[in-house]
Amino acid sequence: NAGVTQTPKFRILKIGQSMTLQCAQDMNHNYMYWYRQDPGMGLKLIYYSVGAGITDKGEVPNGYNVSRSTTEDFPLRLELAAPSQTSVYFCASSYSPGGDLGSGNTIYFGEGSWLTVV
Amino acid sequence: DAKTTQPTSMDCAEGRAANLPCNHSTISGNEYVYWYRQIHSQGPQYIIHGLKNNETNEMASLIITEDRKSSTLILPHATLRDTAVYYCIVRVGSRGRGSTLGRLYFGRGTQLTVWP
Repeated sequence: NAGVTQTPKFRILKIGQSMTLQCAQDMNHNYMYWYRQDPGMGLKLIYYSVGAGITDKGEVPNGYNVSRSTTEDFPLRLELAAPSQTSVYFCASSYSPGGDLGSGNTIYFGEGSWLTVV
Repeated sequence: DAKTTQPTSMDCAEGRAANLPCNHSTISGNEYVYWYRQIHSQGPQYIIHGLKNNETNEMASLIITEDRKSSTLILPHATLRDTAVYYCIVRVGSRGRGSTLGRLYFGRGTQLTVWP
């Protein structure tokens, strides 16, 4: 059980380039999330998904796209990289039976992907 | 919109209890209080959560006031490895897509330093 796995761990992009951050979880979680964390700040939600085929915007979605074709994978796409997207990106997942979060389920995070746009 | 207020930093002697306060005066009835910590920019690690009753697990205890407007995370015997940023978060437990369900709003947290 690897938990939440993110790749790559480190990447340097040039302005205008595109790339995809990969995220996979092996816990059969229905919810998945992408967060970014700027230096000295807390995490901000970019996108999230409540299940395969369903995605929704978080607090800071501009400049990103996601897809959720399977339960296990939730890739984050940067189409035209900008310096403002230099950050650490965290993928996370959780399980909520029937979509009800009233049980207060736990969110598990990956180890992060460090992205620098120059 | 973090919805919580925490001190910027605290310190604690190794072996002593670390008591981390959090104010969440606008908390709603269906919002849980969660605590996570982050060590050296690793992925945040879940510690504990609660709704209105005090909770305890192998890592920590969570004390929630009766009016639910504040809480305290207690690490009973802090070690050097507990040095981290601790985030207090309120999280809606609601059903359905399109609501704020599941979102964890992270503030800047409390930097806890445990010294020998």
